[in-house]
Amino acid sequence: GAGVSQSPRYKVAKRGQDVALRCDPISGHVSLFWYQQALGQGPEFLTYFQNEAQLDKSGLPSDRFFAERPEGSVSTLKIQRTQQEDSAVYLCASSLGGSSSYNEQFFGPGTRLTVL
Amino acid sequence: SQQGEEDPQALSIQEGENATMNCSYKTSINNLQWYRQNSGRGLVHLILIRSNEREKHSGRLRVTLDTSKKSSSLLITASRAADTASYFCATDPYNNDMRFGAGTRLTVKP
Repeated sequence: GAGVSQSPRYKVAKRGQDVALRCDPISGHVSLFWYQQALGQGPEFLTYFQNEAQLDKSGLPSDRFFAERPEGSVSTLKIQRTQQEDSAVYLCASSLGGSSSYNEQFFGPGTRLTVL
Repeated sequence: SQQGEEDPQALSIQEGENATMNCSYKTSINNLQWYRQNSGRGLVHLILIRSNEREKHSGRLRVTLDTSKKSSSLLITASRAADTASYFCATDPYNNDMRFGAGTRLTVKP
């Protein structure tokens, strides 16, 4: 079956513009994660969903960042009033189970956001 | 903030040699995972080792875990040019904030 997909793959935004990044997880996967990866760094956790519930958003860097997963499948990460420091690759991952399950995460290819 | 720290930051070896990467972490864990990332691509899961395990094998990969030292190592035997990538350790996704290190950049020269 298909893996995790993300769109767009590349996004260039002018400073102050709002952007929306989409993640399509593997069908049936309960858990969905968003990460931010700066150049030369490892991914940094942003937020976590179990089905439609956002159980942890402690990694979101500011209130300009908002994520949703209204039907427990597709997720959107929205960044309002983008700043240059938001430039990064945004990775989405999904995993099959909840907290008691084998927790391998499957990653999408990422969206590379460049804020000018 | 990142929990794991990989060492070395960069490693260059010849094809056929073994590559060893280390990871240290700060807090107690339930499990530790290793991922690979090829340039410009998403991460691929390599292996998971639970806190009650000391060693695990998968093909040419061997992972060890020492919870008393809060450290793990990843050994790739008989390396190939295709192993060129960045390797990350990560801990505990079900604390809801899986923490990755900054990675080890491995280059395998043909």
